[in-house]
Amino acid sequence: TQLLEQSPQFLSIQEGENLTVYCNSSSVFSSLQWYRQEPGEGPVLLVTVVTGGEVKKLKRLTFQFGDARKDSSLHITAAQPGDTGLYLCAGTQGGSEKLVFGKGTKLTVNP
Amino acid sequence: NAGVTQTPKFQVLKTGQSMTLQCAQDMNHEYMSWYRQDPGMGLRLIHYSVGAGITDQGEVPNGYNVSRSTTEDFPLRLLSAAPSQTSVYFCASNLQGLGHTEAFFGQGTRLTVV
Repeated sequence: TQLLEQSPQFLSIQEGENLTVYCNSSSVFSSLQWYRQEPGEGPVLLVTVVTGGEVKKLKRLTFQFGDARKDSSLHITAAQPGDTGLYLCAGTQGGSEKLVFGKGTKLTVNP
Repeated sequence: NAGVTQTPKFQVLKTGQSMTLQCAQDMNHEYMSWYRQDPGMGLRLIHYSVGAGITDQGEVPNGYNVSRSTTEDFPLRLLSAAPSQTSVYFCASNLQGLGHTEAFFGQGTRLTVV
C-alpha cells in the first residue's frame, strides 16, 4: 500500500499552460515536501509545508498543504520547458525522522 | 559546495559479487539515508542512520548492510548481488527541523547486476 498517492502519473502539456498535480494520503503528515528530479540527477527540494492550510509560492509554483494535513497540491502557472521533470512529494509522520515518497508525476512541457 | 557525494556513478556487477557504494556529506548532518529508485516504484528507503554508530532498517533492507563510523560517511554494502538489485541508488543527508526533515541527495549510482 502506497502511503502517498500522486496523480496524475504522467502529464504532457504545451508551454504556457497551467497545471496542478496532487499528493494524497489517508494518513496525517507532520510535514510534506515537494522535490523535482531531472534525468540522471538526484531529487532537489523545492518546498516544505508544515501547517495545515499553508500556501507557499516559489515564482510560478504554488504549493498548498491540506487543512487536515493529509494532502498537498502543486500548481504551476504558465509552464515552461524548463519545468520538465519528475515531481515527487514526500512526508514525515508523527515523531518519525523517516521520509516516505510518492511515486511521482512525470511532467513534460513541450515548446 | 560538495554537499552529498556518491561514488561510483555507474557500476556493473555479476550475480553473487559484493560491492560497497560510497556516500559522503560535508553538511554536518546527523541523519543520513539510502534509497533505491525503480521505474514506477518511486524512492524506497533501504537503511537510515540518525547519527554515528546508529543505523536502522527502512522499507527494503534485505540484501544490504550499512555502517556509520563517522558523521560524514554512510557506505551501503551489497553482500551478494542479485539481478533484483539492479536499480538507481541515492544517498541523502537530512536536515532535521522541528517536526520535519529535508533531504539533500547525491547524484546517484546506477547499478546493473547481470
